[in-house]
Amino acid sequence: GAVVSQHPSRVICKSGTSVKIECRSLDFQATTMFWYRQFPKQSLMLMATSNEGSKATYEQGVEKDKFLINHASLTLSTLTVTSAHPEDSSFYICSAPDRISYEQYFGPGTRLTVT
Amino acid sequence: DAKTTQPPSMDCAEGRAANLPCNHSTISGNEYVYWYRQIHSQGPQYIIHGLKNNETNEMASLIITEDRKSSTLILPHATLRDTAVYYCIVSQNSGGSNYKLTFGKGTLLTVNP
Repeated sequence: GAVVSQHPSRVICKSGTSVKIECRSLDFQATTMFWYRQFPKQSLMLMATSNEGSKATYEQGVEKDKFLINHASLTLSTLTVTSAHPEDSSFYICSAPDRISYEQYFGPGTRLTVT
Repeated sequence: DAKTTQPPSMDCAEGRAANLPCNHSTISGNEYVYWYRQIHSQGPQYIIHGLKNNETNEMASLIITEDRKSSTLILPHATLRDTAVYYCIVSQNSGGSNYKLTFGKGTLLTVNP
């Protein structure tokens, strides 16, 4: 089946720094990708919709200036957590729908820890 | 997206069938029923989806009631590796942001030896 990768799988950063997370669709093109975060013992919460060639759409309560999304190609979306704080520590997951099969594929997730 | 209701947890014996129910009484005519599962600390894995007919693949079967207000995911021979949180989601799949999936709390299925 189709594969979505994320890099890095784990990252530890200091408070106040920025962290970039990459999401790639490896064998299909994705004009749309989604970014979720998941806190311990909770479900996935959609943060934003990443659109190739246009601005991302953010869910209510998600700060667009803090979570910068760039979808520069049909296979790559990036999420940059700017000025990270300990409360941003979470599991960040991306997904990409296959336009042909209608299946949506999820990345393995990125564990962010802000110290 | 329509809201779904699932039991918070279920247990199943290894080798037996696991039947996971889901209620989606407000589902619209153009919304599909999707099932995903998430094993601890991993990204969700697609299992199956359907619109109104029953569906079967190598992983599971999906039974959707005639009124489409509920469905059941069936894992025919559960193994220990099937222990995960199972999410039932209804969503359009007509493209763009309509692909987005809204996750509820899901059902934690524990398969016991």
